[in-house]
Amino acid sequence: SAVISQKPSRDICQRGTSLTIQCQVDSQVTMMFWYRQQPGQSLTLIATANQGSEATYESGFVIDKFPISRPNLTFSTLTVSNMSPEDSSIYLCSVGEPGRTNYGYTFGSGTRLTVV
Amino acid sequence: GQNIDQPTEMTATEGAIVQINCTYQTSGFNGLFWYQQHAGEAPTFLSYNVLDGLEEKGRFSSFLSRSKGYSYLLLKELQMKDSASYLCAPGAAGNKLTFGGGTRVLVKP
Repeated sequence: SAVISQKPSRDICQRGTSLTIQCQVDSQVTMMFWYRQQPGQSLTLIATANQGSEATYESGFVIDKFPISRPNLTFSTLTVSNMSPEDSSIYLCSVGEPGRTNYGYTFGSGTRLTVV
Repeated sequence: GQNIDQPTEMTATEGAIVQINCTYQTSGFNGLFWYQQHAGEAPTFLSYNVLDGLEEKGRFSSFLSRSKGYSYLLLKELQMKDSASYLCAPGAAGNKLTFGGGTRVLVKP
């Protein structure tokens, strides 16, 4: 399965600032997704990162708040903009291949964000 | 939309068997995934069912009934290291995974 490097692993940020999280994969992958996991909660899908086009956002998430880039098949970034304490969470990227779903989707190690 | 229901927490004894049930309603269903997540770590893939029936993988088995919108994960010969959250995730249109709230399993000696 693909190996994912996600950076930073954690950060403490001031409210009103922005943080960009990077997800680098060791091979080309068709599907890349970004999730949020709030303390004690399960994973919530933020968006599907589409290569060469705008990301597809889930209900409750908007591009102005969570801009996503995916310039190629091995890399994506998620920016958390104009942060508030409510954005404190773990953010994870996930990758997969449509023809290899029996191998599951792989997750990055996550970025633990604290907004103060 | 998605509607996924699984128990919040289960407790079992080392060496025992635990069955985690999951019911779901999803559009564009294309298989059911189970993930394990230890505290502070990323989820790791356990199983995938696309057809009805039981899939066995060592101590872990997963069952799917598409007509009933029902799956379960069966953990046998429980070990202390199996204490974790178990996440049910139906695949949907666009190959997206939406996760249930997770079941926290506590294995006691």
